[in-house]
Amino acid sequence: AAGVIQSPRHLIKEKRETATLKCYPIPRHDTVYWYQQGPGQDPQFLISFYEKMQSDKGSIPDRFSAQQFSDYHSELNMSSLELGDSALYFCASSPRTSGGALETQYFGPGTRLLVL
Amino acid sequence: DAKTTQPNSMESNEEEPVHLPCNHSTISGTDYIHWYRQLPSQGPEYVIHGLTSNVNNRMASLAIAEDRKSSTLILHRATLRDAAVYYCILRDDDNYGQNFVFGPGTRLSVLP
Repeated sequence: AAGVIQSPRHLIKEKRETATLKCYPIPRHDTVYWYQQGPGQDPQFLISFYEKMQSDKGSIPDRFSAQQFSDYHSELNMSSLELGDSALYFCASSPRTSGGALETQYFGPGTRLLVL
Repeated sequence: DAKTTQPNSMESNEEEPVHLPCNHSTISGTDYIHWYRQLPSQGPEYVIHGLTSNVNNRMASLAIAEDRKSSTLILHRATLRDAAVYYCILRDDDNYGQNFVFGPGTRLSVLP
């Protein structure tokens, strides 16, 4: 079965540079979530989109922005990178179902970002 | 989402059952109990979810206390591939599109 695709899988950037991470959800999934996982930490929610509109916002820095496109893929844009941005960035997708409590999120393999 | 508490770590022998507990004493009537796990260097993976009744699927079983203030994820025969961090998460029926709050979960080690 098709899974969530993230690209690139690995990325090395210097401080103050910009980075763009891409996420391709499972076909027919219309909701996308972004999570950040620092070394030795648990995943932390950044932002989510449903039908190309932002649906929830977490601890996403102002230097970061994201959007969802008409084909439902999403991009996370990161500017003025800092050393502390080094982390695994996961994208998850889910289909719209009745009842949020029953929603299952399917996670991609992640993008490992290293900021030097 | 209501808060959950789990042991930091647990250890099991291969091919033995594992019971992973989760306390959620402030759970509300509309909160579903979800379990996810994260294998090393991978994204979190859905395991199972339930509301009031015990649930079984091909991966695990979920036993929910009668008062719903605690639940237990049961792996019937642990394998080395089950070594992961297991997260117990509560989801409110009104919160579609909301994020999952992860952690801290239980780090399960499986000994050969």
